[in-house]
Amino acid sequence: DTEVTQTPKHLVMGMTNKKSLKCEQHMGHRAMYWYKQKAKKPPELMFVYSYEKLSINESVPSRFSPECPNSSLLNLHLHALQPEDSALYLCASSQPKDQETQYFGPGTRLLVL
Amino acid sequence: AQSVAQPEDQVNVAEGNPLTVKCTYSVSGNPYLFWYVQYPNRGLQFLLKYITGDNLVKGSYGFEAEFNKSQTSFHLKKPSALVSDSALYFCAVSPRYNTDKLIFGTGTRLQVFP
Repeated sequence: DTEVTQTPKHLVMGMTNKKSLKCEQHMGHRAMYWYKQKAKKPPELMFVYSYEKLSINESVPSRFSPECPNSSLLNLHLHALQPEDSALYLCASSQPKDQETQYFGPGTRLLVL
Repeated sequence: AQSVAQPEDQVNVAEGNPLTVKCTYSVSGNPYLFWYVQYPNRGLQFLLKYITGDNLVKGSYGFEAEFNKSQTSFHLKKPSALVSDSALYFCAVSPRYNTDKLIFGTGTRLQVFP
């Protein structure tokens, strides 16, 4: 099973709202990732968690706050977003070892009004 | 700077014909190479990867890719295209010293016509 699940599939929020995106995998992977993808562009790495610890933050604004409560779950907390943050947010997981494949979830399409 | 190039924004091919989607990279060392496919409003699906060994790698859905070290290329191929192959294809490279990072190309839209 190479499934990564993400909820919700779609999210519309105002600039003053607080919302969270959820990602889950049951493949025993110990690395999890958040990517942001704008239309017709490649995914851009935002955060990496390795063994439930934040290992990479690609200078993402603080209005995005990741959380990794356990080895299967990854959250992205959103607060005071801007319209330009509207995008497809993708979660991925892999083993945190050399040459391992990242497996992606279907994404959450976010619209900020 | 490390980069991945997909020189064609779109590739058009008739169903049943062979297809090639090109990828070249500029990453030091011997990186790992990947191809992903993305269908509309979906996440990325892993197709295949090159780690070491045989230069021709076989993957999902009849796709294969040819690694050429001297040309630093990793072109995706399929002998006979299907209409259902129409999607957005991303080449990605992972440096051996920093395998958390996937460096993506800009993507190539494949359109297969009946």
